[in-house]
Amino acid sequence: AQRVTQPEKLLSVFKGAPVELKCNYSYSGSPELFWYVQYSRQRLQLLLRHISRESIKGFTADLNKGETSFHLKKPFAQEEDSAMYYCALRGSHSGGYQKVTFGTGTKLQVIP
Amino acid sequence: DVKVTQSSRYLVKRTGEKVFLECVQDMDHENMFWYRQDPGLGLRLIYFSYDVKMKEKGDIPEGYSVSREKKERFSLILESASTNQTSMYLCASSAVESNYEQYFGPGTRLTVT
Repeated sequence: AQRVTQPEKLLSVFKGAPVELKCNYSYSGSPELFWYVQYSRQRLQLLLRHISRESIKGFTADLNKGETSFHLKKPFAQEEDSAMYYCALRGSHSGGYQKVTFGTGTKLQVIP
Repeated sequence: DVKVTQSSRYLVKRTGEKVFLECVQDMDHENMFWYRQDPGLGLRLIYFSYDVKMKEKGDIPEGYSVSREKKERFSLILESASTNQTSMYLCASSAVESNYEQYFGPGTRLTVT
């Protein structure tokens, strides 16, 4: 079974402060991890994935297999970062097909 | 640019009605998904399909069925709508060519009264 845990429902930070959105996962194989974001009145979209190892909009995320974590970080929060963030894991379904499991989401609120 | 469209943005149905939600993607993606999105529960997978006429149950398939007769279209069916199926329904598609990035539709807000 695969599971994604996002312990915080809401994270409020001041503009310019560092941000860390937590994500922990449970999976027996080698997972592929993603962060998706949903801005107000927009559709859900990919922010970044661990295999790309890139920074998007100042956000980075490192896969830590020892701690089974994929936390999303940004050194200085901007007001436009306010959104709903979902961590997701792509693993193998019992039939060998791909299945994606999402966490419960964290709402990031950046206070001006 | 991938486009995933859903047949309705808002839908109001009565308890016991049969409800059809349709999703169409225009990028020849082999994988398609139906999720429901509820506050505090995140996205929960209802069904997914990896090919025409193929379907797999997700985490919460009870009360739902799906149909995929054409590659670009994936329908979600509520056989007999109940109030606990009031939710936001999201469709998504993905393909190996895009490294399995999921492209989402705008969502259908279904209210069952």
